[in-house]
Amino acid sequence: AQKITQTQPGMFVQEKEAVTLDCTYDTSDPSYGLFWYKQPSSGEMIFLIYQGSYDQQNATEGRYSLNFQKARKSANLVISASQLGDSAMYFCAMTLGDRDDKIIFGKGTRLHILP
Amino acid sequence: DAGVIQSPRHEVTEMGQEVTLRCKPISGHDYLFWYRQTMMRGLELLIYFNNNVPIDDSGMPEDRFSAKMPNASFSTLKIQPSEPRDSAVYFCASSLRRFELIAKNIQYFGAGTRLSVL
Repeated sequence: AQKITQTQPGMFVQEKEAVTLDCTYDTSDPSYGLFWYKQPSSGEMIFLIYQGSYDQQNATEGRYSLNFQKARKSANLVISASQLGDSAMYFCAMTLGDRDDKIIFGKGTRLHILP
Repeated sequence: DAGVIQSPRHEVTEMGQEVTLRCKPISGHDYLFWYRQTMMRGLELLIYFNNNVPIDDSGMPEDRFSAKMPNASFSTLKIQPSEPRDSAVYFCASSLRRFELIAKNIQYFGAGTRLSVL
């Protein structure tokens, strides 16, 4: 069965430092997509970044990059030069290629940026 | 462009009352999803639609919950009768399936409806 694991329930990081949020996934399907969402304290779910299983390069979106290691089945989110506004809950998620339209979410990591 | 619009943002009701949550997806999107988020259970998919047709309602907790999508620009989630354990944040999300890209079905979420059943 498909599964997303986020092992860090909470993290504290100093402002301006880089942050890596861990995510591992489990699927036997060769076609899948990986996503990261941010949920600030205001509650909305914000899409951050996407990585396809066949993409050759790691995805980047501004200060966000996805460290995709296919053999290890990991899809860590890297936030460069963290800011106070990055304090939020972060969810890793996965969807399968052509068999399913649903997204499987991890349990999330709460990130606290310290001034 | 407007994102996914949910209403109301907050709803407080008494046990036994009917509650209707509303969602307007992003124009042109062909998928609509309803989720429930609680501290205990995290984010749960309740039901989703493709081209206004319900595809999977296996996450709907019980018969008290129903969802409709009468057209491409509107969906409702109804709870009747409501119970205190239904208190949660309910999210609606929409997406446009990109078949030329593997599994790129990015869901865009509304701001959510915070439901409190007293």
